[in-house]
Parts: sequence; structure tokens; C-alpha cells
Amino acid sequence: SQTIHQWPATLVQPVGSPLSLECTVEGTSNPNLYWYRQAAGRGLQLLFYSVGIGQISSEVPQNLSASRPQDRQFILSSKKLLLSDSGFYLCAWSVNVGPSSTDTQYFGPGTRLTVL
Amino acid sequence: GNSVTQMEGPVTLSEEAFLTINCTYTATGYPSLFWYVQYPGEGLQLLLKATKADDKGSNKGFEATYRKETTSFHLEKGSVQVSDSAVYFCALPNTGNQFYFGTGTSLTVIP
Repeated sequence: SQTIHQWPATLVQPVGSPLSLECTVEGTSNPNLYWYRQAAGRGLQLLFYSVGIGQISSEVPQNLSASRPQDRQFILSSKKLLLSDSGFYLCAWSVNVGPSSTDTQYFGPGTRLTVL
Repeated sequence: GNSVTQMEGPVTLSEEAFLTINCTYTATGYPSLFWYVQYPGEGLQLLLKATKADDKGSNKGFEATYRKETTSFHLEKGSVQVSDSAVYFCALPNTGNQFYFGTGTSLTVIP
């Protein structure tokens, strides 16, 4: 069966510090991978998605970046955090069914980031 | 692109009450439709899905029927429990490899 891991589970960082959040998927190959952010009491905002190694699509211009160094690893980074980066970060995966469609998304447990 | 409009919350119900959370969609063709649930402090979990018109998805006592005549996918449960307190998201595939998620409906069930 497939599992998705995220770490760390919680993180408190000062403004201006760097960030690295990691997501890994087990039990599947060549998945689509996604990073979402959820501000307190708000819905989901898609940040990045990837359909393959080294292929990243950005949905929102901001001070965050994403990388996919391995097939089942997705990393969210920032060089300098802002207060507005606080939120709940969710990684998700789906089966890669082609370039113009998508299947069920499965979510990780999330990382709670607080920027002070 | 495809989108959903979801009933605004929050919703507060007494235990054993009937639940309906409305969701209507706009889509090209007939994509699969989904309900996800998010318990406090956790990620989203797939609750149920329907892959074609007139399909009924069901899980844990929740049901939703894919109705193309009314472009709706309302979530229902006959008797809610305290443990059903969560945020519920309606969703469908959008252009490319993306999903469109509704804004979420917060449900609180009181004993």
C-alpha cells in the first residue's frame, strides 16, 4: 500500500530564516506531487505541483520554491521566511494518468509552520 | 476551468441529527467528484467519490450522489456523531493535473 510522509510535523522559525520541508511517498512510482498551504480557518491554496523529476509548476509567485530531486521526494524551500508564510503545509500525491487529467489525491499529515 | 461552490459554514448540529452539506459544480464533461474530510490538526482524507453521473459514493455512513441535472454532489449523513466534527471539502479535477477544492465547511457536532 502507498504511504506519504511529511516532516517535520511542527516548526517554529524566525522571520528571515530559511525553510526546508520534506515529503516522501512510498509504494508507488512516478506519482504527481503537490504542495498546498492552508492558512488558519481557510481553504487550500495550491503552491506547486510536479509530474516528474525536476519538473515543477508554480501556481503562486512568492518567496517559496519547490524541488523534486528523486521520483518520490518533494521539497518545499524558502531562503527567507516572511510572517505571511505561517500556515499548515500539506503534501499530496496522485497516480500519474497523463498530462491532461488527474486521479484521486492522497494527503500527508501536514507540517504546521509558525513564523515569528 | 472546473470549479465547485460549497455551502458556507460553520454548521453546528446535535448528535444524531441529519446532515446535508451542499456542493454544486461547474465542469466540462463529467469528471469524478470527491468529498474530503479534515479532522483537527490532520491532513485531508478521501471520504468518498463518484466517477460518473448517477453514481452514489458512500463511506462511514456518509453518502453523496452525482446529479448532472442539478450539477450537484451534496453530502448527507442520517445521524451524525461527535466524532464527525471536522471540515469537509468538495473537490473535482481541474485543468491539467490539478484539483479544485471548495472552501470547506466546518461541522461541529455537540452531544
